[in-house]
Amino acid sequence: AQSVSQHNHHVILSEAASLELGCNYSYGGTVNLFWYVQYPGQHLQLLLKYFSGDPLVKGIKGFEAEFIKSKFSFNLRKPSVQWSDTAEYFCAVNARAGGFKTIFGAGTRLFVKA
Amino acid sequence: GAGVSQSPRYKVAKRGQDVALRCDPISGHVSLFWYQQALGQGPEFLTYFQNEAQLDKSGLPSDRFFAERPEGSVSTLKIQRTQQEDSAVYLCASSLGNWDRGGLEQYFGPGTRLTVT
Repeated sequence: AQSVSQHNHHVILSEAASLELGCNYSYGGTVNLFWYVQYPGQHLQLLLKYFSGDPLVKGIKGFEAEFIKSKFSFNLRKPSVQWSDTAEYFCAVNARAGGFKTIFGAGTRLFVKA
Repeated sequence: GAGVSQSPRYKVAKRGQDVALRCDPISGHVSLFWYQQALGQGPEFLTYFQNEAQLDKSGLPSDRFFAERPEGSVSTLKIQRTQQEDSAVYLCASSLGNWDRGGLEQYFGPGTRLTVT
């Protein structure tokens, strides 16, 4: 069965610190990969996605993620976080041959200190 | 509409009651998903509609859960004889296109928080 693992449940950073959130998935076939973000009091929204091509994907608000197929990973990065990045981040995977399910990780709560 | 809307936003049900949760997707969106999100967890897939056709209901946890989208727009998730373990946030998401290799950006609603007492 497919699964998604996010390594950190809670992360606390100071403004301007660099961010890397880990995401690993278990599925051997072709996948589509997503990072969603939920800001306090708001809906889940797409941050970035990978379908094919360049494994380094750039999203909104300066976020990027790198797909490393050999490591089954899709880590999220940002060089310098801001207080406004405080949110919960979810990694999600869809296996193209696996039907209509998108599997979400448990989420990482990021708190950025001003 | 401007986004996906869900109603009610909060629902308290006594154990054994039936509940119905409504989702209004973005106008014109073909695909619609329902998810269940337990406290401290990520969303868990329940079911998928392409227009009015329910193409995948493999995530529905029991036969007490039923979803429909009769006209290909508004969808209702119904839970019969609610149990305490049904307490969760139920999220609806819609996407513009068909399920083409799974590459769909999903637009989420605010969710309905169901508490079963």
